[in-house]
Amino acid sequence: GNSVTQMEGPVTLSEEAFLTINCTYTATGYPSLFWYVQYPGEGLQLLLKATKADDKGSNKGFEATYRKETTSFHLEKGSVQVSDSAVYFCALSGVVYNFNKFYFGSGTKLNVKP
Amino acid sequence: GAGVSQSPSNKVTEKGKDVELRCDPISGHTALYWYRQRLGQGLEFLIYFQGNSAPDKSGLPSDRFSAERTGESVSTLTIQRTQQEDSAVYLCASSFRLDRTEESEQYFGPGTRLTVT
Repeated sequence: GNSVTQMEGPVTLSEEAFLTINCTYTATGYPSLFWYVQYPGEGLQLLLKATKADDKGSNKGFEATYRKETTSFHLEKGSVQVSDSAVYFCALSGVVYNFNKFYFGSGTKLNVKP
Repeated sequence: GAGVSQSPSNKVTEKGKDVELRCDPISGHTALYWYRQRLGQGLEFLIYFQGNSAPDKSGLPSDRFSAERTGESVSTLTIQRTQQEDSAVYLCASSFRLDRTEESEQYFGPGTRLTVT
């Protein structure tokens, strides 16, 4: 079946540090991959996505590359800011009985200290 | 345009009472999802509607939980005989079909915070 596994948090970094949040997936077929972000007190919002192998999604300085060979979609940012403190969710959409269904990881909390 | 809306935004209820939560998806979105998010936890899938097909109820935690959706419009999630462990934020999301095999990203509502006392 389909599933998403992401690294457990919390992750605590100093401002301007490099960020990697690991995400691996199991899926049948050709899923699309997503990163969602949930800022404190707010709802989930899409951060970036990639719809096929080798695609790179990017937004707000964050990047993730769809690696089919390693079934991974790791989130990276070269220099984090305090305002990036949030919970990050990796997700995939996969075809199940001809319908697309979304699967979310458990979330990784990022704390960025000034 | 209007996003996904949910009501109420907050609900406090006594243990044993029934509650009904409402979700208005974005117009034209065929798929609708309900999730539960306990404090500090990830998203727990509850139920998924796709168009007029039979819903995927595989995530409902007990028979006290049920959900309905008429066509591609409003959905209601009902929790009967609420328990304290039902306290959580209930999130609704919708998406639309891009083509035969691909769905758009999910658009989330702000959630309903349910507190069972």
